Amino acid sequence: DQQVKQNSPSLSVQEGRISILNCDYTNSMFDYFLWYKKYPAEGPTFLISISSIKDKNEDGRFTVFLNKSAKHLSLHIVPSQPGDSAVYFCAASALGGSARQLTFGSGTQLTVLP
Amino acid sequence: SAVISQKPSRDICQRGTSLTIQCQVDSQVTMMFWYRQQPGQSLTLIATANQGSEATYESGFVIDKFPISRPNLTFSTLTVSNMSPEDSSIYLCSVNRGRGYGYTFGSGTRLTVV
Repeated sequence: DQQVKQNSPSLSVQEGRISILNCDYTNSMFDYFLWYKKYPAEGPTFLISISSIKDKNEDGRFTVFLNKSAKHLSLHIVPSQPGDSAVYFCAASALGGSARQLTFGSGTQLTVLP
Repeated sequence: SAVISQKPSRDICQRGTSLTIQCQVDSQVTMMFWYRQQPGQSLTLIATANQGSEATYESGFVIDKFPISRPNLTFSTLTVSNMSPEDSSIYLCSVNRGRGYGYTFGSGTRLTVV
């Protein structure tokens, strides 16, 4: 059973426009959500996170929105840049301690076209 | 955030042999996590490695196939034993320095079994 789902395997966006990446989860125990970016031949890089007590977290061009009732989160990138082209993974963690395992979605390949 | 050195970065191995992957962290951490990313799929947790105790394996992964060592708080190894082509994946180690820092990943080991 896939507890974290990214239903869009790929997304193409024009440079300067908004990129919206979506993620759904099923486990109501998840209380912390993260987005990672992964380039080929590299490990995932932490991008932004959000706690379940918030519905929005912003960091520069990146904003994550959380809708707990819908068990849905999204990552907005504005404006999109060609260097943003990568695979984006959402991940979720359940409350329990300082170091918890993550459950990952399957990833979305974002391509930003110049 | 923590800096993780993971090696080898890639290897091509004959079936039936074993490969040991190393991860060195630049600071002490309680838990280290080992993940696998099979081609076109998400990251799946293999096991959690605590210093001074046996690793905790996730469903579908066993110690005989993926023995883990954790001799101190900055180092861990994962061995992929008796390899078959199905073991061809990217293997990643990860640590967490606290919920606000996200999880840091090593650069990954791309394993091809022929």
